[in-house]
Amino acid sequence: EDKVVQSPLSLVVHEGDTVTLNCSYEVTNFRSLLWYKQEKKAPTFLFMLTSSGIEKKSGRLSSILDKKELSSILNITATQTGDSAIYLCAVEAEVAGANSKLTFGKGITLSVRP
Amino acid sequence: GAVVSQHPSWVICKSGTSVKIECRSLDFQATTMFWYRQFPKQSLMLMATSNEGSKATYEQGVEKDKFLINHASLTLSTLTVTSAHPEDSSFYICSARVGRRWGGYGYTFGSGTRLTVV
Repeated sequence: EDKVVQSPLSLVVHEGDTVTLNCSYEVTNFRSLLWYKQEKKAPTFLFMLTSSGIEKKSGRLSSILDKKELSSILNITATQTGDSAIYLCAVEAEVAGANSKLTFGKGITLSVRP
Repeated sequence: GAVVSQHPSWVICKSGTSVKIECRSLDFQATTMFWYRQFPKQSLMLMATSNEGSKATYEQGVEKDKFLINHASLTLSTLTVTSAHPEDSSFYICSARVGRRWGGYGYTFGSGTRLTVV
């Protein structure tokens, strides 16, 4: 059974701090790893990672995949209160019939205090 | 970009009744749609995968007769919660798989439906 484990499960920081969110996985037929941000409703896409060691950046957010260690980190620098959300890590795996599906971790609840 | 419209955004129903949730792909054809449920402070749990024109594939532990999924067209997939009970109260989200120009897939989510069964 595919597994995705995120840590820590929750985190409280102050504005301006830098945070690192972790995700590790055990899946068969790995295709990609995705990070999402979820506030009140549906998750919004942050990054998709397929290659090991290549950092993806978007503003204050960055992420990198380590296929050898079966893990990924999501960094947020100079955090703002608007970064408060649940951060979900999902791993895409190939399934029978050339299909694929996502397995999600439990999510990391980040609270950024003013 | 690919947009999935999900309706209703919230619904309250009486125990024993059925509720239908719709997901439409607005500007693309969704061959594959995934249905998830999410309990408070928990992650998204995949319920089933539906492919247009064929029967849905349900995850272990999900009752097929209770959660009816129909994917009759490339732009519409529906989830019907039949004979709903309070324990079915949850947040239900659909997600469409979208082919990318450079290969591989992306996943676009609907805005979710908050179901409360009273």
